[in-house]
Amino acid sequence: EVQLVQSGGGLVKSGGSLRLSCTDSGLTFSKSWMSWVRQAPGKGLEWVGRLKSKPDGGTTDYAAPVKGRFTISRDDSISTVYLQMNSLKAEDTGIYYCTTERSCGGGSCSAYWGQGTLVTVSS
Amino acid sequence: EIVLTQSPGTLSLSPGERVTLSCRASQSVTSNYLAWFQQKPGQVPRLLIYGASSRATGIPDRFSGSGSGTDFTLTISRLEPEDFAVYYCQQYGSSPLTFGGGTKVEIK
Repeated sequence: EVQLVQSGGGLVKSGGSLRLSCTDSGLTFSKSWMSWVRQAPGKGLEWVGRLKSKPDGGTTDYAAPVKGRFTISRDDSISTVYLQMNSLKAEDTGIYYCTTERSCGGGSCSAYWGQGTLVTVSS
Repeated sequence: EIVLTQSPGTLSLSPGERVTLSCRASQSVTSNYLAWFQQKPGQVPRLLIYGASSRATGIPDRFSGSGSGTDFTLTISRLEPEDFAVYYCQQYGSSPLTFGGGTKVEIK
């Protein structure tokens, strides 16, 4: 069974940077598409971005609010995905979840979720 | 970007009742790549339904999904105490992936 363990959250000042990590205990990490989803305090879920597996091109997609500021990368040798967050804003505050995607009826959806990590951006 | 609108915002119901939640898309969802997630307070979201109507592994059969194109529904045939939660739909057919705003199912 897939287990995702996240680390790297915390308090950062507006304009600062933070890197989140997520390690996947599953056996097929190198073939998995990984994504990040966030949740502002008391609000709903917001998709942040996705990184495809290298066999599938290794490309990334990002939501408009984070494009150009956030970067998703991976190190398949240690089954870890990263979310590098730069130029942070107060509205980036929230819980960040990494997810492992699986085939969902032909498409790819977030089947497994990490425990979440809190990012607080102070203004 | 596909905007998903969930209704109602909140439902107040009693255990044993039947629940129908709606998710409407601003444009057709590619290949009906529509998922439903459940999130309980303080917990991580859990995948319930994918492909509009397929139950994820381990999900009880009281949960069912239906719909196509722009209109989708999640039905809980008989509410159990553990089903009181917030439910989100998500389309994963086109980038950017998007979530609906959620429907809260609370105890009446």
